[in-house]
Amino acid sequence: RKEVEQDPGPFNVPEGATVAFNCTYSNSASQSFFWYRQDCRKEPKLLMSVYSSGNEDGRFTAQLNRASQYISLLIRDSKLSDSATYLCVVNPPNQGGKLIFGQGTELSVKP
Amino acid sequence: EPEVTQTPSHQVTQMGQEVILRCVPISNHLYFYWYRQILGQKVEFLVSFYNNEISEKSEIFDDQFSVERPDGSNFTLKIRSTKLEDSAMYFCASSEDWETQYFGPGTRLLVL
Repeated sequence: RKEVEQDPGPFNVPEGATVAFNCTYSNSASQSFFWYRQDCRKEPKLLMSVYSSGNEDGRFTAQLNRASQYISLLIRDSKLSDSATYLCVVNPPNQGGKLIFGQGTELSVKP
Repeated sequence: EPEVTQTPSHQVTQMGQEVILRCVPISNHLYFYWYRQILGQKVEFLVSFYNNEISEKSEIFDDQFSVERPDGSNFTLKIRSTKLEDSAMYFCASSEDWETQYFGPGTRLLVL
């Protein structure tokens, strides 16, 4: 199993659509999880941390299922500016802060 | 809002040459990192650095690579003798703790 595995993309959706991304991770001892977004040829930018109880930030909702080692990101009412690659990121324990990135899922929001 | 900065934004070098990539982390952060991303591939961890020493390094970070914090603000990555396969985007990141990391805009390195 890959350390962090994401849905294959690309996702092409119309403006206003709801879209969900999924991610699985292999290290069951991992404690910290994040979603980053990356625009073409730019740096990863932190979108949100993922907490055990699930958390929401505006149109974005992140969920964590530790038993299934599964993380999700839901984007509601998608905007053209949401077009980017979404990176699922895991911080495994006792590895000096090393972040493990998934391959990313590309989202394209069309008018 | 404080940001991580990196210089240069682009670097072209000949195979076998040494390169130094520079980063200025966010000022109150104590943990520093280098990652790289080969075109079309995922972001990969290279090294983490805390309290003036390496905390963790990946298999990629071999003897050709070194990091240094030469003063109170800069954090550098040196590649001693570049190879073609070192061509990638190199990102510096910093954090207050071991968790939430903020990335710089990257240096695009091309080895010819």
